[in-house]
Amino acid sequence: DTEVTQTPKHLVMGMTNKKSLKCEQHMGHRAMYWYKQKAKKPPELMFVYSYEKLSINESVPSRFSPECPNSSLLNLHLHALQPEDSALYLCASSRGTEYNSPLHFGNGTRLTVT
Amino acid sequence: KQEVTQIPAALSVPEGENLVLNCSFTDSAIYNLQWFRQDPGKGLTSLLLIQSSQREQTSGRLNASLDKSSGRSTLYIAASQPGDSATYLCAVERGSQGNLIFGKGTKLSVKP
Repeated sequence: DTEVTQTPKHLVMGMTNKKSLKCEQHMGHRAMYWYKQKAKKPPELMFVYSYEKLSINESVPSRFSPECPNSSLLNLHLHALQPEDSALYLCASSRGTEYNSPLHFGNGTRLTVT
Repeated sequence: KQEVTQIPAALSVPEGENLVLNCSFTDSAIYNLQWFRQDPGKGLTSLLLIQSSQREQTSGRLNASLDKSSGRSTLYIAASQPGDSATYLCAVERGSQGNLIFGKGTKLSVKP
């Protein structure tokens, strides 16, 4: 079992819907990440939060809005998505960006935009 | 721009065989290199992290090496088992911000 929990596991949404992806970790990690993985492609970084502050936004469209309410939780709010946004969204955490430590990934949310 | 390449793209071996997966990267200015496995439809499981100052790391039947100057890493799996079947991803971190650049992976199948 992964120590990073993502909900929901699957999500189908229309282009006019608003939905949120949630991620939780209780390892005391202070860095959290959103990655996007398209089918048969490697993961690509979207956002990095360090000590609950957004430190990296990889030029992600504004229809994706991240939020880090506290050090254990990370949300990704979705609005007016396009079918090409369908992908596996992976959350990860690490001890902190100042430490040379591995990333721990959740099992992802598989998003389908219709 | 950092590019990560993994060879081969797919590999099928009989159970018990030792095998090597290869990873190369174009920019040697890396912070660390990480190896992950991904099972179908699942997230990534961290296997090994090699810091830029290190040459290798070992965990059980796995051994990863790093030659930063030549831009290469290898993942050695000893005595392979059917449970090792998965896609193995190599990723390099350039700065210390958790921005991993992944290769496309090697899909490993270990036949009983």
